Amino acid sequence: DGGITQSPKYLFRKEGQNVTLSCEQNLNHDAMYWYRQDPGQGLRLIYYSQIVNDFQKGDIAEGYSVSREKKESFPLTVTSAQKNPTAFYLCASSPQGYTEAFFGQGTRLTVV
Amino acid sequence: AQSVSQHNHHVILSEAASLELGCNYSYGGTVNLFWYVQYPGQHLQLLLKYFSGDPLVKGIKGFEAEFIKSKFSFNLRKPSVQWSDTAEYFCAVTANNNAGNMLTFGGGTRLMVKP
Repeated sequence: DGGITQSPKYLFRKEGQNVTLSCEQNLNHDAMYWYRQDPGQGLRLIYYSQIVNDFQKGDIAEGYSVSREKKESFPLTVTSAQKNPTAFYLCASSPQGYTEAFFGQGTRLTVV
Repeated sequence: AQSVSQHNHHVILSEAASLELGCNYSYGGTVNLFWYVQYPGQHLQLLLKYFSGDPLVKGIKGFEAEFIKSKFSFNLRKPSVQWSDTAEYFCAVTANNNAGNMLTFGGGTRLMVKP
């Protein structure tokens, strides 16, 4: 089955710990994205990558880091510098020349 | 930078009522426009998209949207809603800029349809 897999679905961490969210796609898409979804604020772009070994900051990149070592993988690390990390995180991918984005099921991160 | 506004945060309708959800964007250049839907517990899914051509676009499940360039709007409509349309709806835009194509979302509209 082609698609985007995010894991885990739920994640709990203690304050001050870094945590990495996984995103894998087998759609052979060039571009991948990370969004954060908060109630009433829609989806806000954290980072995106249009090609392997390259990525750009989105609107709310502070406190997050990413890597794109392989085309199919785009992990997101939520660092201890992120002041308000509890949120729903969505990963997406799209083909080159952008037609539409395909989304994973999301990871709900709770920091206690 | 582009931005997207959805003015209705919560909408409650009875079945068979007509729906119109507003979406306005700010960007002076060429844009691609999208409506996504998120049913409870499910992935975000594409409802419809506009790239060029006929400004009235038809999507899945009887939804349509009209691009009005002069108003920077891309409102979503459905003549008769069903209980199964209960979901959150997101308008989104991509624009070509120096950093490439970024997909920017509005704040979302939660639609509840009463049976």
